[in-house]
Amino acid sequence: GDSVTQMEGPVTLSEEAFLTINCTYTATGYPSLFWYVQYPGEGLQLLLKATKADDKGSNKGFEATYRKETTSFHLEKGSVQVSDSAVYFCALLNYGQNFVFGPGTRLSVLP
Amino acid sequence: SAVISQKPSRDICQRGTSLTIQCQVDSQVTMMFWYRQQPGQSLTLIATANQGSEATYESGFVIDKFPISRPNLTFSTLTVSNMSPEDSSIYLCSGGQSNTEAFFGQGTRLTVV
Repeated sequence: GDSVTQMEGPVTLSEEAFLTINCTYTATGYPSLFWYVQYPGEGLQLLLKATKADDKGSNKGFEATYRKETTSFHLEKGSVQVSDSAVYFCALLNYGQNFVFGPGTRLSVLP
Repeated sequence: SAVISQKPSRDICQRGTSLTIQCQVDSQVTMMFWYRQQPGQSLTLIATANQGSEATYESGFVIDKFPISRPNLTFSTLTVSNMSPEDSSIYLCSGGQSNTEAFFGQGTRLTVV
């Protein structure tokens, strides 16, 4: 079945550092891809999404590009802030199916 | 987008008891789902809540343990029955207008002692 793999955390960075969280997927067809963020004690919030190959999703300085050739959707941010500390989930959605979430990557940003 | 509210936000329960979690959406949504997030883990889909009919459960989840109601397009409940410490998790409600989007509540953090 469909699956999502993320880089293992935790990831610890200093403020203003560059962030990359890798995400790769296995799926039939052409799924939509998502990044969700979960701040401490809260539910999941949609961060960005891409619905077809080569689409770039972006929000709050975060970006991810749907790469079909490498089946990847890596999350990047040029300069992280302490407030970005959270758990980040990569997810896919195939037509007619349910969401499949990756295991999550915990990010800690130090001042 | 949709705003999803869950109650309670957290609870500590005795083993053998049951807890009902409520999920209210601020607008009508076609799809509603319930997820479980065990400590330090990702989300696992429990079931799809169907309006006016029985929920559709995923493998490993049964109606007797997790009865679900969905009387209308904006409200659903999940009951965790005959709880044991292994049921300690965050339970998340999700909804959207189609199967191409998912908005989440803030979750219910359940501890069973």
